[in-house]
Amino acid sequence: DAGITQSPRHKVTETGTPVTLRCHQTENHRYMYWYRQDPGHGLRLIHYSYGVKDTDKGEVSDGYSVSRSKTEDFLLTLESATSSQTSVYFCAISAETGPYGYTFGSGTRLTVV
Amino acid sequence: GENVEQHPSTLSVQEGDSAVIKCTYSDSASNYFPWYKQELGKRPQLIIDIRSNVGEKKDQRIAVTLNKTAKHFSLHITETQPEDSAVYFCAAAGNTPLVFGKGTRLSVIA
Repeated sequence: DAGITQSPRHKVTETGTPVTLRCHQTENHRYMYWYRQDPGHGLRLIHYSYGVKDTDKGEVSDGYSVSRSKTEDFLLTLESATSSQTSVYFCAISAETGPYGYTFGSGTRLTVV
Repeated sequence: GENVEQHPSTLSVQEGDSAVIKCTYSDSASNYFPWYKQELGKRPQLIIDIRSNVGEKKDQRIAVTLNKTAKHFSLHITETQPEDSAVYFCAAAGNTPLVFGKGTRLSVIA
């Protein structure tokens, strides 16, 4: 398919535990993004990366951290999961930011109990 | 930063009718306006986009119009079919990541 995969696809975790979601791309795109999708809120940007070790915050970054040690991998970590972080998380990639279309991964459904 | 408003939040049309979804944006520096379609349980997929040097773009049954002066853009779907039923998102960007609207759930009734 699109050359972007997310893992895991589904996860249930307990409040207070750390969780890491992975996004892997085979397109060699420079930009990678993490969005969360919640009913009534659309897609909101958590963090994004514009190169190896280069990241920046998005609209809803509190409680999340990211790392990008290789071009192909972008990790999202919930440092101490809370119920408000129950959501569907989408990774996206683009060759450049701004006026370029994004390709999304299949999403990770995370439930924090 | 950019703020994108999208209306309506839900839309029901009869098969064969047209559907129009409207978005407004706040940042005059935005110059790229894509539309994504998301079917139930699937990833968002780009269906059409427009850049600020163009006023209208068509691709078969879908079209997008842009009014930069008024800071609004619209998605038009003609001759709707049941497979058009989905959630549609508009977005806007300049040299920053895309900011999305909250989505429109379109239902096409056969």
